[in-house]
Amino acid sequence: AQSVAQPEDQVNVAEGNPLTVKCTYSVSGNPYLFWYVQYPNRGLQFLLKYITGDNLVKGSYGFEAEFNKSQTSFHLKKPSALVSDSALYFCAKWGDQGGKLIFGQGTELSVKP
Amino acid sequence: EAGVAQSPRYKIIEKRQSVAFWCNPISGHATLYWYQQILGQGPKLLIQFQNNGVVDDSQLPKDRFSAERLKGVDSTLKIQPAKLEDSAVYLCASSLERFSGANVLTFGAGSRLTVL
Repeated sequence: AQSVAQPEDQVNVAEGNPLTVKCTYSVSGNPYLFWYVQYPNRGLQFLLKYITGDNLVKGSYGFEAEFNKSQTSFHLKKPSALVSDSALYFCAKWGDQGGKLIFGQGTELSVKP
Repeated sequence: EAGVAQSPRYKIIEKRQSVAFWCNPISGHATLYWYQQILGQGPKLLIQFQNNGVVDDSQLPKDRFSAERLKGVDSTLKIQPAKLEDSAVYLCASSLERFSGANVLTFGAGSRLTVL
């Protein structure tokens, strides 16, 4: 069973508009959830994480994510997109089996001027 | 602090040949991970080391892949013989402690392998 799902392969947004990159996860106790970003020919960079507490998590570069337990979602958001936000975004969950970080398949974000 | 170093950045080989990738984690990081990222997919954990011991290698194709972390610092991932489906980016990551859910992984830039 897939632990993390990113339903959109690609998201297109105009610069200055709000953006949302979706992520849902399989239920298993209290999840630890993460967002990473990957720029071309670069490794993954940590953006933010949810461990416990406030459902709205703030991270790097103006990104935030909302943990919704009833919908088992952890969508990544930004109020105003920048062209430089264009990259590949991965949602990840601390896995149920043996404690490993399991990634979704990724969503390519394209922000046009 | 210096990041996670990986080499080579790019490698092209023919099938059935062998290849090795090297990783130097952040100083002091006890846990080291090797992930395989196939184009269009999320990274998949191949092997996880805690110091110089293997914690998880359940998804490592052991008939062709091997990895070691001598002295609990640098690590080498080897593929022998390579298959076409091994074409991927091999990402090394490290974390301060054994992953507990709260620790953040720091990734290297990756080693891109093309098998012809």
